[in-house]
Amino acid sequence: AQSVTQPDIHITVSEGASLELRCNYSYGATPYLFWYVQSPGQGLQLLLKYFSGDTLVQGIKGFEAEFKRSQSSFNLRKPSVHWSDAAEYFCAVGAEGGGNKLTFGTGTQLKVEL
Amino acid sequence: DAGITQSPRYKITETGRQVTLMCHQTWSHSYMFWYRQDLGHGLRLIYYSAAADITDKGEVPDGYVVSRSKTENFPLTLESATRSQTSVYFCASSDWGGGGASYNEQFFGPGTRLTVL
Repeated sequence: AQSVTQPDIHITVSEGASLELRCNYSYGATPYLFWYVQSPGQGLQLLLKYFSGDTLVQGIKGFEAEFKRSQSSFNLRKPSVHWSDAAEYFCAVGAEGGGNKLTFGTGTQLKVEL
Repeated sequence: DAGITQSPRYKITETGRQVTLMCHQTWSHSYMFWYRQDLGHGLRLIYYSAAADITDKGEVPDGYVVSRSKTENFPLTLESATRSQTSVYFCASSDWGGGGASYNEQFFGPGTRLTVL
């Protein structure tokens, strides 16, 4: 079965600084990969997804992520963080033939210092 | 209202009581999902449904029951609530994957915060 690890529980960055959130997955074949964001008291919103093709994917709100098969990683990046980016971020993986089911990581809580 | 809604948004109940959480989506999505969110565990899948009258267990199904008689509704029932079921519950829906992909974006409801005393 597939699994996802988000090694950073909490990250604090200053507004305007760059951001990288780590995600490592475990799955034998090419996975379906997602990043979701959850603002306080809200449901989850999709930031971006990777299915195949170009390993660098662009998402909403200026986020991007890079799929690295050799490292089993799908790290999320943003060149300049805004205070409104403070939220919890979840990486998720789906397996071929998995019936659209996703396995989520435990999340990374992002705090932005002004 | 268009989208995916959950009711109630907040619920307090007592151990042993039956509780039903409602989920309704207006997109006619084929897939629907129930997750619970707990600190340190992220989101864990309780049950999912690929279509009306088709449901299957997820990672943590014990103590929960689901049904899906209509495409747009996917209620989750706690038959006899326990304190360990105190959590935030999210419903999500998704359509079939496009372009030959097996996956598609899941759209999440606002969540139900359930407290079992």
